[in-house]
Formats: sequence, structure tokens, C-alpha cells
Amino acid sequence: EAQVTQNPRYLITVTGKKLTVTCSQNMNHEYMSWYRQDPGLGLRQIYYSMNVEVTDKGDVPEGYKVSRKEKRNFPLILESPSPNQTSLYFCASRVGVGEKLFFGSGTQLSVL
Amino acid sequence: AQSVAQPEDQVNVAEGNPLTVKCTYSVSGNPYLFWYVQYPNRGLQFLLKYITGDNLVKGSYGFEAEFNKSQTSFHLKKPSALVSDSALYFCAVRDLRNFNKFYFGSGTKLNVKP
Repeated sequence: EAQVTQNPRYLITVTGKKLTVTCSQNMNHEYMSWYRQDPGLGLRQIYYSMNVEVTDKGDVPEGYKVSRKEKRNFPLILESPSPNQTSLYFCASRVGVGEKLFFGSGTQLSVL
Repeated sequence: AQSVAQPEDQVNVAEGNPLTVKCTYSVSGNPYLFWYVQYPNRGLQFLLKYITGDNLVKGSYGFEAEFNKSQTSFHLKKPSALVSDSALYFCAVRDLRNFNKFYFGSGTKLNVKP
């Protein structure tokens, strides 16, 4: 089954403790992206990747890092999480320009 | 700046009645527009898209959307609502210059009552 898999689904952590949210897709998509969803703000793009070793900033990249060492994986790294990064995070992938995005089920992160 | 706006936080409609979820866009050119739906505890699912051509776009689950260039709108519609259509709906636009960037609206919660 074609899918985007994120882990974990829920994560509670404390300020400053490094964490990684994993994302994997099995559709051989070149493009992958991370979003955060906050009430009243919709989804905002954090980072995206056009292919292996090619990444770029979205609209809200501060406090986040990403890497793309393999085509299928695109982890999101928070090196020193802060409470304002408490949010619902989604990973997405796409087969080509102009095509729809496939989303993972989301990761609810709480930073205390 | 490119953006989309969803003016209604919530839309309430009775089952069997037509529904409309509104979206307006702000781009200086020909937009690529999308609608996605989010069910509770799930990721977003694609409903339909407009790139070019016919202004009335048909999508999944009986939904359609009408592109109106003069009013810069892309409203989502369905002739007869189902209780199972209750969900959060997002309008999105792709950046005209950077095809890798997308801008989403704030979302509209659709409540369909039996």
C-alpha cells in the first residue's frame, strides 16, 4: 500500500531535549516536505527536499533541521525544542510538479 | 505575497442539503489550487485540484470546486451533504515561482447534521 509513515504519533518532551521525528515513504517520490499545523493558522511549511541531499527552507524553518540521505526517508530534527514548537506535524511527499501531496498521519508534539 | 484565505472557521449544514466551503486566493498569475480534507486523527487527503482548463473541477467523494478568476475564488461544493463529510477542509495554492512551496488556508470545519 502506498503510504507516508511518520513516527511517533505522539511525543511529549521537555525543553532542550533533542528529538527526531521520522518520515518514510514507499512511493519512490523525489519530493518530500514537513509542515506544522496550528489552530487558526492552517499548515505552514517548515522544510522541503527535492531529492537526496537537496533540501531548502519553507516559511517557518527556525528551530528545525532536516536531512535527506536516502530517497525514502526525511527526518525532522529539533535540536533544542522549545514550548512554541508544540504543534501537530505532518510529513508529505509528491510524485511530481503540480501533483497532489500524500500526507502522513501526523505527529502530535508537546514540549513542556 | 501569495496566499489563500478561508473566511469561515466553521460551516454547518443539514444532511441532504448542498454545501459550500469558501476559499479566495491571492496570486499574481495563474494559480495551481488544491482542496484537501482532514478527518479526525488522520493526515490530509487530496480532494481535487485546478491547474488550467474547465473552471468546474470534479474530485473525490462527489465534491467539486469552481474556479472564478474575476472573484479570485475557488469554492468547494457538494450538491447533497452527508454526515460522513464532517471534517476539516483546507484550501491550498502552489507558489508560482517556486514549485516546491505551498500555502494553506487556515481550514474550515464542516459540520453536517443528520
